[in-house]
Amino acid sequence: GENVEQHPSTLSVQEGDSAVIKCTYSDSASNYFPWYKQELGKRPQLIIDIRSNVGEKKDQRIAVTLNKTAKHFSLHITETQPEDSAVYFCAATLIQGAQKLVFGQGTRLTINP
Amino acid sequence: KAGVTQTPRYLIKTRGQQVTLSCSPISGHRSVSWYQQTPGQGLQFLFEYFSETQRNKGNFPGRFSGRQFSNSRSEMNVSTLELGDSALYLCASSPNSRGTGSEQYFGPGTRLTVT
Repeated sequence: GENVEQHPSTLSVQEGDSAVIKCTYSDSASNYFPWYKQELGKRPQLIIDIRSNVGEKKDQRIAVTLNKTAKHFSLHITETQPEDSAVYFCAATLIQGAQKLVFGQGTRLTINP
Repeated sequence: KAGVTQTPRYLIKTRGQQVTLSCSPISGHRSVSWYQQTPGQGLQFLFEYFSETQRNKGNFPGRFSGRQFSNSRSEMNVSTLELGDSALYLCASSPNSRGTGSEQYFGPGTRLTVT
């Protein structure tokens, strides 16, 4: 199938705490896994990505981990701030058949001050 | 560099009509992809163009079509509009030949409402 499952659909954390969003994918040939942040009324923006030859990538407060065997990847945000509130989408490039970027359903993250 | 631009930003059409949306990618980007975003279905891939050729296509009916010009600008067309076509249509450009296998820069979208 062509599935990317994302959990949870909503997440509420206290400012300063960490947030974790998880995704699973179906195509074992997938090789590119980006994460996008979409604020209300704005366009999606790439915040971090990882390729299948890497297990972990970090950029300041944001990190992504990839487990190819289990076909899942996760976004970790540490020391959360109010401006982190947004909808986050994971995605995977599916290779079987036509190459396409398939998105998860999104996680609405709310940071409580 | 200027970002990805899309025109028009808002559009209202009636069932049965057709519509053409336009996307100008970031200068130098040759890959342009189109996505449909709805509250129920999320972000869904429509198709990707690279060097004026449709390279990949999602699971949408033939009423959805597109093209790309020599300057990399792209248009998508939806014919015989249905109520379910109401959505935000996003285009994204990519700086390298990997297209959907690399970073995508999104435009602001065109909000299409079908009545």
